[in-house]
Amino acid sequence: QVQLQESGPGLVKPSETLSLTCTVSGGSISNSNFYWGWIRQPPGKGLEWIGNIYYTGSTYNNPSLKSRVTMSVDPSKNQFSLKLSAVTAADTSMYYCARFRYYDNGGYRHYFDYWGQGTLVSVSS
Amino acid sequence: QSALTQPPSASGSPGQSVTISCTGSSSDFGTYNYVSWYQQYPGKAPKLMIYEITKRPSGVPDRFSGSKSGNTASLTVSGLQAEDEADYYCTSYAGTNNYVFGTGTKVTVL
Repeated sequence: QVQLQESGPGLVKPSETLSLTCTVSGGSISNSNFYWGWIRQPPGKGLEWIGNIYYTGSTYNNPSLKSRVTMSVDPSKNQFSLKLSAVTAADTSMYYCARFRYYDNGGYRHYFDYWGQGTLVSVSS
Repeated sequence: QSALTQPPSASGSPGQSVTISCTGSSSDFGTYNYVSWYQQYPGKAPKLMIYEITKRPSGVPDRFSGSKSGNTASLTVSGLQAEDEADYYCTSYAGTNNYVFGTGTKVTVL
């Protein structure tokens, strides 16, 4: 059973960089069938896709956040990370990491099948 | 990019059916069959309920079904049960390595 766990500071100051790490257990982050993604949810609001990363380091992001988002992956630690720069109060959210099934059984797939429990990040001075 | 449009709320009595719509533009849904639905309880992570418009992951009751017509996808919960009371979100591949979520629908079991 794949499990994902987010970790990182729960409080970030405005204009600084938010940094989170997701640790994957029960499966290899280097499995070629999967990307690994970040999704966020402001308190009381809906979900927003942030971006996905492949074990090779290939990434693609939400165009609305693209210039502020940096993602990286460390296959040796079975971890992937998110950095969001120049944060404001609008970035206060629950941040989820998730496994994105990209390919299997000879076909492309596009869905998140396993999610972490989420970590709340508040932006405040 | 704009979120896919869902009704804010939907409700039904136990045993009844409720259908949630998810509307986007042709560029959101286009010719792709990559619509999925997630269930979320308060304070919990989302759970995959439907993928590729109609497919159910192992363990999801067959009371949950999905469909799509044109630029609108739908999730139907038949035989509504108290445990189905939750928020539901659709999501779709929007082309060019881009994904968009719906605005979310709160389902209430009366």
